[in-house]
Amino acid sequence: AQSVAQPEDQVNVAEGNPLTVKCTYSVSGNPYLFWYVQYPNRGLQFLLKYITGDNLVKGSYGFEAEFNKSQTSFHLKKPSALVSDSALYFCAVKDSGGYNKLIFGAGTRLAVHP
Amino acid sequence: AAGVIQSPRHLIKEKRETATLKCYPIPRHDTVYWYQQGPGQDPQFLISFYEKMQSDKGSIPDRFSAQQFSDYHSELNMSSLELGDSALYFCASSVQGRGTEAFFGQGTRLTVV
Repeated sequence: AQSVAQPEDQVNVAEGNPLTVKCTYSVSGNPYLFWYVQYPNRGLQFLLKYITGDNLVKGSYGFEAEFNKSQTSFHLKKPSALVSDSALYFCAVKDSGGYNKLIFGAGTRLAVHP
Repeated sequence: AAGVIQSPRHLIKEKRETATLKCYPIPRHDTVYWYQQGPGQDPQFLISFYEKMQSDKGSIPDRFSAQQFSDYHSELNMSSLELGDSALYFCASSVQGRGTEAFFGQGTRLTVV
């Protein structure tokens, strides 16, 4: 079965510092990996995805993610954090069977302090 | 650009009542997904439709049912509501395929009292 794990419940970072939100995956076959962000009382917004190709994927709002096959990881990164980046971040993987529903990790709350 | 529209945004119901949530997917998207997100939890998959046919089923209680209509909008019907049904309910739509991202609506916050 496909699954993702987010080992950190919360990540704290100072504004202007680089941030990393961790995600590891367990899949059979090729991984199709996604990051979403959720602001309070809002829906999930798509940030970026890895399908194939370059291991460094660039997405919205200056975020990027690094796919590492040997470590089965897909960590979300940003070179310089903003207070407005504070939100809940979900890593997700596409199911290999059925009709490709997204399977989410538990989420990581990112807090960026001024 | 058009997004996924959900209605209502907020809903308060009493125990044992019935609720209907509506979802209007992005035009030309052929797949609709429903998710439930409890407080402090990740979204849990309930059910999906591909081209108006039920395509996948997750942890959806028997008290819940859903369908997709000819105009592609979908409805989630919830009966005999319980306090534990209080949650955010999200609808998402996509073009079918493993490499395609799903776009989520703003959600319906259901509170059962």
